Amino acid sequence: NAGVTQTPKFRVLKTGQSMTLLCAQDMNHEYMYWYRQDPGMGLRLIHYSVGEGTTAKGEVPDGYNVSRLKKQNFLLGLESAAPSQTSVYFCAGGRDEQFFGPGTRLTVL
Amino acid sequence: AQKITQTQPGMFVQEKEAVTLDCTYDTSDPSYGLFWYKQPSSGEMIFLIYQGSYDQQNATEGRYSLNFQKARKSANLVISASQLGDSAMYFCAMRGRWGDKIIFGKGTRLHILP
Repeated sequence: NAGVTQTPKFRVLKTGQSMTLLCAQDMNHEYMYWYRQDPGMGLRLIHYSVGEGTTAKGEVPDGYNVSRLKKQNFLLGLESAAPSQTSVYFCAGGRDEQFFGPGTRLTVL
Repeated sequence: AQKITQTQPGMFVQEKEAVTLDCTYDTSDPSYGLFWYKQPSSGEMIFLIYQGSYDQQNATEGRYSLNFQKARKSANLVISASQLGDSAMYFCAMRGRWGDKIIFGKGTRLHILP
């Protein structure tokens, strides 16, 4: 089992470009989450999903969109990237015990 | 509103000593869950331990235990017999009763000295 995987691992974008981060899981989690981690800020919840076809906003949703068309995939989109979105992005699956992906390091120039 | 506070940005501890990492929380929910995660320098997030607010006993997982003091709203992580491999960032987190959201503290960086 792969667990929770994230694609890509690294990405550099220019301001205004768009991209999609993919989170995939083979653990049958209903709950999936997207976080961003910035120095000194801990992890902050961007969006989450409690099941296929559902999404909800977290603490810092502005500038991001998500989709959960299939239970095993949770996509995070940046429509127009900004330097403030430079961060490490983590996906996680599970409710009480969360299993995290390895992270995506995104730099927006 | 829910809040998690970790007041120790960094700690240095001698190998084999016990370590207590502080976590206080604030919530008005009657039912909630508390978590601790470890993040080594390699960057991955590792689940350590979970405590439900109605659990009668403190949670334990191997060398990790959660010292849950409900009246004081604290959920400290205790690591017994620390090892060099325990050097990492540690995050406390909480889920409220109705929410599916989890909020994290800002973390404590633990350094284990040989």
